[in-house]
Amino acid sequence: AQTVTQSQPEMSVQEAETVTLSCTYDTSESDYYLFWYKQPPSRQMILVIRQEAYKQQNATENRFSVNFQKAAKSFSLKISDSQLGDAAMYFCAYRLYSGNTPLVFGKGTRLSVIA
Amino acid sequence: GAVVSQHPSRVICKSGTSVKIECRSLDFQATTMFWYRQFPKKSLMLMATSNEGSKATYEQGVEKDKFLINHASLTLSTLTVTSAHPEDSSFYICSARVGGGSYEQYFGPGTRLTVT
Repeated sequence: AQTVTQSQPEMSVQEAETVTLSCTYDTSESDYYLFWYKQPPSRQMILVIRQEAYKQQNATENRFSVNFQKAAKSFSLKISDSQLGDAAMYFCAYRLYSGNTPLVFGKGTRLSVIA
Repeated sequence: GAVVSQHPSRVICKSGTSVKIECRSLDFQATTMFWYRQFPKKSLMLMATSNEGSKATYEQGVEKDKFLINHASLTLSTLTVTSAHPEDSSFYICSARVGGGSYEQYFGPGTRLTVT
């Protein structure tokens, strides 16, 4: 079974600084998606960024970028120029590329942004 | 982006009663919907996967007779918590996926259930 591990229950970052959230996963499959979701205090899940496993290039969305290391099964999220609105729970998630399989979530990392 | 709504956003019910939570995809057809449960400061726990017109597939440990899921149309899925008990109090989140192999999955805003 696929598992997703987030080893940092809590992280904090100074406003305008950069922070990296870690995620590792375990799978025997070769084709899959990886995601980072943000859950602010409103509890609404928001997709931050996704990565297709077959793509070698790391995904980037504005201030958010990932470091995808397929061989190491690592998928970290880097937030640059952190803003107060970035404070939230961040969940790493995995799903198979094919089929109607559900997302598998990590336990989450709570990010605090210090003004 | 696509929108998923949930109703109600909050509900309080007495122990022993049943409560229904609706999940609607507002501007797209969702071939598959997922129901999650989230405890405070915890991750999302998948309860079941439902495909339109089919019986839901429940995760291990989730009582299908207690958590009734119906996905009668491509835009509506319902979760009914039957004979609710205080331990069923939780945050329930639905999520809808467009078919055709798309990666897109959209989440509802969640429903907070409190059983007194």
